[in-house]
Amino acid sequence: EVQLVESGGGLVQPGRSLKLSCAASGFTFSDYAMAWVRQAPKKGLEWVATIIYDGSSTYYRDSVKGRFTISRDNAKSTLYLQMDSLRSEDTATYYCARHITIAAMGYFDYWGQGVMVTVSS
Amino acid sequence: DTVLTQSPALAVSPGERVTISCRASESVSTLMHWYQQKPGQQPKLLIYLASNLESGVPARFSGSGSGTDFTLTIDPVEADDTATYYCQQSWNDPTFGGGTKLELK
Repeated sequence: EVQLVESGGGLVQPGRSLKLSCAASGFTFSDYAMAWVRQAPKKGLEWVATIIYDGSSTYYRDSVKGRFTISRDNAKSTLYLQMDSLRSEDTATYYCARHITIAAMGYFDYWGQGVMVTVSS
Repeated sequence: DTVLTQSPALAVSPGERVTISCRASESVSTLMHWYQQKPGQQPKLLIYLASNLESGVPARFSGSGSGTDFTLTIDPVEADDTATYYCQQSWNDPTFGGGTKLELK
């Protein structure tokens, strides 16, 4: 059974940093691209970043470029999101998702339960 | 970015057929996917590449469309289908529609 378990969320002040983790199990982690997708309170879904299977390429939405870094440790089957210079508009539940990158940017077939990040003073 | 537009809400009775629409601001070919999100839960993939049913998803769900206009159909609707449904395109950087909240009468 595929499982994705996020951790590392919490309350952080604007301008500070936070690092999210996602522990994967139930599949060969190193075979798949992975992504972070977020959802602001009572709002819709928003893709944040994707990393391909071996970590050699990464993709970001414009609003987080230069502030967020997606990375992975295939030996530990773990995905990360380093978030720097956080803003109030980054407040959201962050989901880790397996990203099936066939046909361009593809789709997300498994999702974690999500972790809440609140950026506030 | 490709903008996806969905109707905000629908209300139907159990046993009826419901169609949820998604319109793209530009052609995305068949690179459209559908998710179901129940309150307090993570999204769940229902349909990929416009019309392919994800493994384990009931055959009551189906998808169609190409270019700019897409449809998710649930027939017949069951009480457990109360949720918000999102479309997502992958023609370029992934974007999601605003979601359609399905309520049962």
